[in-house]
Amino acid sequence: DAGVIQSPRHEVTEMGQEVTLRCKPISGHNSLFWYRQTMMRGLELLIYFNNNVPIDDSGMPEDRFSAKMPNASFSTLKIQPSEPRDSAVYFCASSLIPLHLEQFFGPGTRLTVL
Amino acid sequence: DQQVKQNSPSLSVQEGRISILNCDYTNSMFDYFLWYKKYPAEGPTFLISISSIKDKNEDGRFTVFLNKSAKHLSLHIVPSQPGDSAVYFCAASTLIQGAQKLVFGQGTRLTINP
Repeated sequence: DAGVIQSPRHEVTEMGQEVTLRCKPISGHNSLFWYRQTMMRGLELLIYFNNNVPIDDSGMPEDRFSAKMPNASFSTLKIQPSEPRDSAVYFCASSLIPLHLEQFFGPGTRLTVL
Repeated sequence: DQQVKQNSPSLSVQEGRISILNCDYTNSMFDYFLWYKKYPAEGPTFLISISSIKDKNEDGRFTVFLNKSAKHLSLHIVPSQPGDSAVYFCAASTLIQGAQKLVFGQGTRLTINP
């Protein structure tokens, strides 16, 4: 059974470029979460969706960040324009609420902005 | 303002002995507390949880203890095995519109020495 799928696994880009990270949640899950992991701040929740609807985006750092979930099997996190301080590992997680307490994480996308 | 803190960035334990990982929190409104384990280049995986109304939960070699008056929880692993070497994240959750919103600590890197 496939877990959460994220692409790309690694992304290197230059400052000012647009970056799009992709996530396919576990089939049947109805909530999706985007996290960012940095050395300084650890794992932070950026945004989460219930049934494709954004519920809480208070963790999105700036207007340069945006996330969409056009359907139950796909989500994107976009950074435009990217900056070196955006360099981090970005995780996507999904869950089946209210059945699951825990969230199931993808392998992450390591983003490096030069 | 860090609501969940893991004050030990690393811990080294002899194989077969007990590993104790600690976590402190500030918000008394959290519903559940969870521990996740993370290997390099992988996403965090759920390990064990405890409800805020309990003080202990056990699952095989893993036991989580919750001290609400001290706003402190700990994860005990006994006996420790080399495969337990990983980064452990403590997380606290609040229920928001059906989904568990998780706040993570910074993580503790556990190394089990043969």
